[in-house]
Amino acid sequence: GIQVEQSPPDLILQEGANSTLRCNFSDSVNNLQWFHQNPWGQLINLFYIPSGTKQNGRLSATTVATERYSLLYISSSQTTDSGVYFCAVEGSGGSYIPTFGRGTSLIVHP
Amino acid sequence: SAVISQKPSRDICQRGTSLTIQCQVDSQVTMMFWYRQQPGQSLTLIATANQGSEATYESGFVIDKFPISRPNLTFSTLTVSNMSPEDSSIYLCSVGGQGGNTIYFGEGSWLTVV
Repeated sequence: GIQVEQSPPDLILQEGANSTLRCNFSDSVNNLQWFHQNPWGQLINLFYIPSGTKQNGRLSATTVATERYSLLYISSSQTTDSGVYFCAVEGSGGSYIPTFGRGTSLIVHP
Repeated sequence: SAVISQKPSRDICQRGTSLTIQCQVDSQVTMMFWYRQQPGQSLTLIATANQGSEATYESGFVIDKFPISRPNLTFSTLTVSNMSPEDSSIYLCSVGGQGGNTIYFGEGSWLTVV
């Protein structure tokens, strides 16, 4: 099946700093999403982005499908950005089962 | 979009007991997915639940341990049977995906087995 690798595994920032999270995948995809899991365990959908670029406030994401990677940018980070960021992909092979990366754990200090 | 209500949100369970988690979706969906997330780990798919048929379990998960019901197109339950401390996890239900649709999750059920 499709492989998903996220980097870095851990990230510690001071409030106000910018960061880039990366998701590499091993095959072509129908679906790629970024999620934020808050400290209470809730998974929040950030972006549905199988290709192209999207922005939502301080967050933006870019997927380059031909090169099999996606980037999540966080600008002017805040303590509420803390949590784990997951990338999930659905391969185009027709299995319809999303595969999750191991996540990037982000801590933003005040 | 889809709104998914999941309960309980949190529970502490005694070893050897069973607990049923409920998942209610605000629209009709063909497939519902159940995931387990052990502490500090990523999400692992337990099974896919289709209405009117037996759930399809992933490798390492069996129906006797994780029986699933799917009585209609908006509701599903997952039971964690004969629990042990190793079952302490967040359990999440999900809809969507399936070839290009946005994936949505319930709020999660955080189970601690003592």
